[in-house]
Amino acid sequence: ELKVEQNPLFLSMQEGKNYTIYCNYSTTSDRLYWYRQDPGKSLESLFVLLSNGAVKQEGRLMASLDTKARLSTLHITAAVHDLSATYFCAVGLPGGTSYGKLTFGQGTILTVHP
Amino acid sequence: DGGITQSPKYLFRKEGQNVTLSCEQNLNHDAMYWYRQDPGQGLRLIYYSQIVNDFQKGDIAEGYSVSREKKESFPLTVTSAQKNPTAFYLCASSTGTVVETQYFGPGTRLLVL
Repeated sequence: ELKVEQNPLFLSMQEGKNYTIYCNYSTTSDRLYWYRQDPGKSLESLFVLLSNGAVKQEGRLMASLDTKARLSTLHITAAVHDLSATYFCAVGLPGGTSYGKLTFGQGTILTVHP
Repeated sequence: DGGITQSPKYLFRKEGQNVTLSCEQNLNHDAMYWYRQDPGQGLRLIYYSQIVNDFQKGDIAEGYSVSREKKESFPLTVTSAQKNPTAFYLCASSTGTVVETQYFGPGTRLLVL
């Protein structure tokens, strides 16, 4: 059974600071996704990581994937209030009957304050 | 504009009642999914469908049923057998290729009276 764990689950940051969210998963996979959810809202796709060593950046967010360590990171640079949200990683099983299925982490609630 | 719509936004269920949540997409996506989200938790997969007239159980299918008669539509019925249905329900779709991300609808919040 695939398990996906994020840490920390709660993150309170000061504006302008840097921090990293970690996503560990338990079985082999070559595809990992990051999503953002604002309170009471749906999920928005942030990044799709499909190979070992993949790195994607958008604004103040950068995501990376290490398939050998079964670890993805979401790095936040110089945080601003607008980044306050819940961030989820999700991992896909490699093909076969699990085609298309994603397993989500618990989510990291990020609060950025002045 | 292309997207996924879910209705209603809020739904109240009485004990012993079946209720149906609607999900429609106009993205021409082959695959559709239903997730349940409980407060402070991640998403758990209920059912998914890769093609019309075919669907598979996810991790928490008990007490739920689905149909996929049209490519655009994937309704979810919460049956009376689901004893703890209060949650936020999210529908998603994707092109169906293994690597494609999923796109989510706005969600339906189900509450029990």
